[in-house]
Amino acid sequence: AQSVTQLGSHVSVSEGALVLLRCNYSSSVPPYLFWYVQYPNQGLQLLLKYTTGATLVKGINGFEAEFKKSETSFHLTKPSAHMSDAAEYFCAVSGDRGSTLGRLYFGRGTQLTVWP
Amino acid sequence: DAGVTQSPTHLIKTRGQHVTLRCSPISGHKSVSWYQQVLGQGPQFIFQYYEKEERGRGNFPDRFSARQFPNYSSELNVNALLLGDSALYLCASRTTPGQGQEGAFFGQGTRLTVV
Repeated sequence: AQSVTQLGSHVSVSEGALVLLRCNYSSSVPPYLFWYVQYPNQGLQLLLKYTTGATLVKGINGFEAEFKKSETSFHLTKPSAHMSDAAEYFCAVSGDRGSTLGRLYFGRGTQLTVWP
Repeated sequence: DAGVTQSPTHLIKTRGQHVTLRCSPISGHKSVSWYQQVLGQGPQFIFQYYEKEERGRGNFPDRFSARQFPNYSSELNVNALLLGDSALYLCASRTTPGQGQEGAFFGQGTRLTVV
């Protein structure tokens, strides 16, 4: 079974500070992992994904995440927060590698607030 | 290229009514999935369709149904609406359902309010 836990429903940082959003997953198969961002009243936008290969993946808007199998983690980071980063962030795992389904299992989300 | 488009963007329905939500996937994408996002939670999988056939169903009651058309667009239908059905309904598309490594491309959603 697949599941995602996002630690911290709310994270607040100052503009220019490091952003760290935590995600731990559970998967019965080698996972595909994703981070999505959701701005108010909008759908989900893919930030980055891990499938195979390099464990440090870079995404849009300066975000990156590192897949750590031993820790079952996929934390999202950004060295310097910008006001425009304020949004809700969702970690997701694809539950059906090799199957024909490919459904996504999402965490509950982390609301990021950036203070000026 | 147009992304995933959903209609309507907002609607308000009364308990007991029926609602139909519509989704057009990205051109070339043949698989459509539906997710429900209740306020304060992550999206929950409802259905996946591919080539007009249901390929997967989440833990939702039979009041929820969907279908996919030859042009790969899709409709989500909910009967006998309950207050708890109030949510953002998201449609996602990908080329084929087996391409799990793609993740999925989401539309902006339909905000359904049941009163």
